[in-house]
Amino acid sequence: ILNVEQSPQSLHVQEGDSTNFTCSFPSSNFYALHWYRWETAKSPEALFVMTLNGDEKKKGRISATLNTKEGYSYLYIKGSQPEDSATYLCATNAGGTSYGKLTFGQGTILTVHP
Amino acid sequence: NAGVTQTPKFRVLKTGQSMTLLCAQDMNHEYMYWYRQDPGMGLRLIHYSVGEGTTAKGEVPDGYNVSRLKKQNFLLGLESAAPSQTSVYFCASSYRGLAGNNEQFFGPGTRLTVL
Repeated sequence: ILNVEQSPQSLHVQEGDSTNFTCSFPSSNFYALHWYRWETAKSPEALFVMTLNGDEKKKGRISATLNTKEGYSYLYIKGSQPEDSATYLCATNAGGTSYGKLTFGQGTILTVHP
Repeated sequence: NAGVTQTPKFRVLKTGQSMTLLCAQDMNHEYMYWYRQDPGMGLRLIHYSVGEGTTAKGEVPDGYNVSRLKKQNFLLGLESAAPSQTSVYFCASSYRGLAGNNEQFFGPGTRLTVL
């Protein structure tokens, strides 16, 4: 079982602030790192899937970076809006014959105050 | 396209009762997964399937059984429910990809309470 850790557990920011949080994972036998956004009363939805060391991906005001050698990924939100309030999950897999099995972190709960 | 659907949305069981949760996807995905979500624990994989007729254990399989008789459906069974199985259950599916680099699509969840 992989150990995937996210920090902080929760975060409160004001509208317009930029923020970031971290996902740490074992760097050995790495294949992919996923970020999901999970709004209350909805299902998790994929934001990014990253596979290469040094990958940077961007979707609107949200971006992510990946360092597979040291085993971490950052998620950045620029100019947070109340609608960004959600739990952000990262997940990684064991690779090889794991058939896409993901191990999830416990999530970072982001609350953006108007 | 309905995506991933789950039936039922809510259920209350008494200890020892049995039930089956149904997951259906219309995206022709090869892989399907069952997770449970508990406070402070994130999503934990119960069982998964890489194709019709094949299933495998995940991280927390005890007390659950699964079947995938048709590609589009993945059933999760509780033979004798226990209070420790009170949780929210999510089904997900994905295309077959290189070692898990395909995003997973999640259903809306089933909230199960075992008294």
